[in-house]
Amino acid sequence: AQTVTQSQPEMSVQEAETVTLSCTYDTSESDYYLFWYKQPPSRQMILVIRQEAYKQQNATENRFSVNFQKAAKSFSLKISDSQLGDAAMYFCASRNRDDKIIFGKGTRLHILP
Amino acid sequence: DAGVIQSPRHEVTEMGQEVTLRCKPISGHNSLFWYRQTMMRGLELLIYFNNNVPIDDSGMPEDRFSAKMPNASFSTLKIQPSEPRDSAVYFCASSLGRAHYNEQFFGPGTRLTVL
Repeated sequence: AQTVTQSQPEMSVQEAETVTLSCTYDTSESDYYLFWYKQPPSRQMILVIRQEAYKQQNATENRFSVNFQKAAKSFSLKISDSQLGDAAMYFCASRNRDDKIIFGKGTRLHILP
Repeated sequence: DAGVIQSPRHEVTEMGQEVTLRCKPISGHNSLFWYRQTMMRGLELLIYFNNNVPIDDSGMPEDRFSAKMPNASFSTLKIQPSEPRDSAVYFCASSLGRAHYNEQFFGPGTRLTVL
């Protein structure tokens, strides 16, 4: 069975600074994908970034990057140059091949002006 | 594209009433997912369809919940009878395929309150 754990219920960061959100997961499969989704106050779930387990290179999308440590089953999200629009709930998720996606409980990120 | 469309956006009903939530996936997407989000349980997959066929309904809480997808552009999630513990935000999502790498596009959600 898959599990996803986000140990930080809330975090705050100063605007323009860098913040890292933690996520650990557990799976017995070798073929899986990891995701970070953002849920702003509008409630809309938006994919931020995804990582294939087979790829060693960390995924990046503009100011968003991940630190994928496969052996440690860790998948943290780094947001650089934080902006007010980054304030949201962030969900880490894992999906095995031929299985359903499992979400963590989320981390609420506050951006301080 | 308009994205995933859900209706209604908000629903308030009384215990025992039937509730029907509706979803229109993105055109061309052949996988559709229904999720429930609560503070206590987070985001849970209830059921998902591929090519209009239910693939995994293990997340459906009990017989009071049912979902249908009569065609590629429409799905419903029905709760009958509704109970206060069903109060949650219900999301519909769609993707190009059922593969694990496919991005799921979420609708805006329906906030259900059962009194």
